[in-house]
Amino acid sequence: GQNIDQPTEMTATEGAIVQINCTYQTSGFNGLFWYQQHAGEAPTFLSYNVLDGLEEKGRFSSFLSRSKGYSYLLLKELQMKDSASYLCAVRDRAAAGNKLTFGGGTRVLVKP
Amino acid sequence: DSGVTQTPKHLITATGQRVTLRCSPRSGDLSVYWYQQSLDQGLQFLIQYYNGEERAKGNILERFSAQQFPDLHSELNLSSLELGDSALYFCASSVLAGGPADTQYFGPGTRLTVL
Repeated sequence: GQNIDQPTEMTATEGAIVQINCTYQTSGFNGLFWYQQHAGEAPTFLSYNVLDGLEEKGRFSSFLSRSKGYSYLLLKELQMKDSASYLCAVRDRAAAGNKLTFGGGTRVLVKP
Repeated sequence: DSGVTQTPKHLITATGQRVTLRCSPRSGDLSVYWYQQSLDQGLQFLIQYYNGEERAKGNILERFSAQQFPDLHSELNLSSLELGDSALYFCASSVLAGGPADTQYFGPGTRLTVL
């Protein structure tokens, strides 16, 4: 089975940087995804990591350490529209269908 | 817009009833996934279909069933509805059956309210 942990809620100021951590335990790690979800809306894909290191995409970056079972999503130059939940999801090759398991999400509140 | 469509957007029904939710995947995607998201809960995987065949099952109740048709659209059937079934139901699609970089793209969801 899988266990994915991320903080429930974080607050940050507009223009600042926020780092959302995700730790996981899986028997057959096969990729980690980050999604953004505004309240009542669909999750939208942000980033994907399968090898160790940092992937940068504009204001968003995602880091992975497979040996530590750890990832983080870094949001820079925060904007009000970044207020949303951020979901960490891990793919396990040992699971049927290479199933993706989602963490509970981290709600980020950006204040002016 | 992810390219995944879901209908209806909202559904209000009574306990004991049966409803059908519909999903059309992105053009070219062969896999369809169904998820349930209750208020303040995470995404719970229900079931996956790949090219018409059931590929993986999650925490799907026996009262729930799904299928994927030859044109690759999928339907999720929920029967003997209970108050606790009220939730957002998302469909997602991906190109393959779940390889390492196989990204899932989500539809806008169907909000089900059981009264």
